[in-house]
Amino acid sequence: TQLLEQSPQFLSIQEGENLTVYCNSSSVFSSLQWYRQEPGEGPVLLVTVVTGGEVKKLKRLTFQFGDARKDSSLHITAAQPGDTGLYLCAGKSGSARQLTFGSGTQLTVLP
Amino acid sequence: NAGVTQTPKFRILKIGQSMTLQCTQDMNHNYMYWYRQDPGMGLKLIYYSVGAGITDKGEVPNGYNVSRSTTEDFPLRLELAAPSQTSVYFCASSYLNSRGESYEQYFGPGTRLTVT
Repeated sequence: TQLLEQSPQFLSIQEGENLTVYCNSSSVFSSLQWYRQEPGEGPVLLVTVVTGGEVKKLKRLTFQFGDARKDSSLHITAAQPGDTGLYLCAGKSGSARQLTFGSGTQLTVLP
Repeated sequence: NAGVTQTPKFRILKIGQSMTLQCTQDMNHNYMYWYRQDPGMGLKLIYYSVGAGITDKGEVPNGYNVSRSTTEDFPLRLELAAPSQTSVYFCASSYLNSRGESYEQYFGPGTRLTVT
């Protein structure tokens, strides 16, 4: 069974601060995705990374896939209250037909 | 497009009752999934389907059943509901890219189920 561990589990910061969320595994993934989930809603895809070492930027969010494709990070610059939510990473191995989800990081950005 | 729709949004069941959670997608996606999410946790896969007539177990299938008679619909059946099945249930769908790999999953709004 492939496991994805996310850290930290909870994060509460002030508006304007920077933060990094981590997603780690001992398994290699062919692709890794990051989702954000707001209360009462389903997760929404933010980004997919597929190449080791790949970096993708989405406005103030920067996503990186580890060189060995076993880990990923999400960095948010100058966090805003609208960034509040549950951030989930999800990995897919080459042969699997489903995703493995991490347990999530609950982010709260205080105004 | 409505995307992925789920009904009902909320439901309270008594122990031992049965119910079906409905899921429909209008994106012609061949892959569909059912997850459960417990408070403050990630998603656990219950069942998934790679096409009409084909279903397979996920990580936590016990106490649930599914069917996939059409591309659009993927209902989840709970038989003999138990308090441990209190959770939020999400249906999702995805497509195959040009390399035959399934990628982004599109989620419904969820069904919040309480079993008492």
